[in-house]
Amino acid sequence: DGGITQSPKYLFRKEGQNVTLSCEQNLNHDAMYWYRQDPGQGLRLIYYSQIVNDFQKGDIAEGYSVSREKKESFPLTVTSAQKNPTAFYLCASSGTTGPNQPQHFGDGTRLSIL
Amino acid sequence: AQSVAQPEDQVNVAEGNPLTVKCTYSVSGNPYLFWYVQYPNRGLQFLLKYITGDNLVKGSYGFEAEFNKSQTSFHLKKPSALVSDSALYFCAVRDLNTGGFKTIFGAGTRLFVKA
Repeated sequence: DGGITQSPKYLFRKEGQNVTLSCEQNLNHDAMYWYRQDPGQGLRLIYYSQIVNDFQKGDIAEGYSVSREKKESFPLTVTSAQKNPTAFYLCASSGTTGPNQPQHFGDGTRLSIL
Repeated sequence: AQSVAQPEDQVNVAEGNPLTVKCTYSVSGNPYLFWYVQYPNRGLQFLLKYITGDNLVKGSYGFEAEFNKSQTSFHLKKPSALVSDSALYFCAVRDLNTGGFKTIFGAGTRLFVKA
């Protein structure tokens, strides 16, 4: 079955450490997204990519970085510059045939500070 | 600016009763509206969408939504709630100012269905 796989499910970060969250999709979607979810705040867009080798900052990109070297993969790095990284991170993808396409989500990575 | 609002943090309903989860939107141009559901420690799942056509949209798991252009609303409904419908529900709109690639999500409404 096609879908989005996020790993790991749980991740712990030490002070000053960078960590990378994995997101892989086999839906053949061009567009991929990273969201951060905090309690009571809904989803906030970190980065998105419309096509391979291209990505744009979302609303809360500071302290995060991404790459899009392959269509299937869109990893997110949470850098030490992100001072409050504890959150639930969701990766999503969608077809780019138009704005009527829903997004497909992975099951998230929960990041905590040690 | 395009936005979506879910005025209720929580909705409580008894099993078997009808449920409504409210959503209002503000967009320039035609709205592309979506409802998603999230179960604990899971990603969001697509329920239904409104693009054009009939104002009553039918979706997954017996849910439907009513689009009302004059009231700029897109309320989610179900005629008979199940305990298993208890979850977090998000209304969303495509941000056409970014070519439709970005999606703006509401803050979410938690639905509790009591047996």
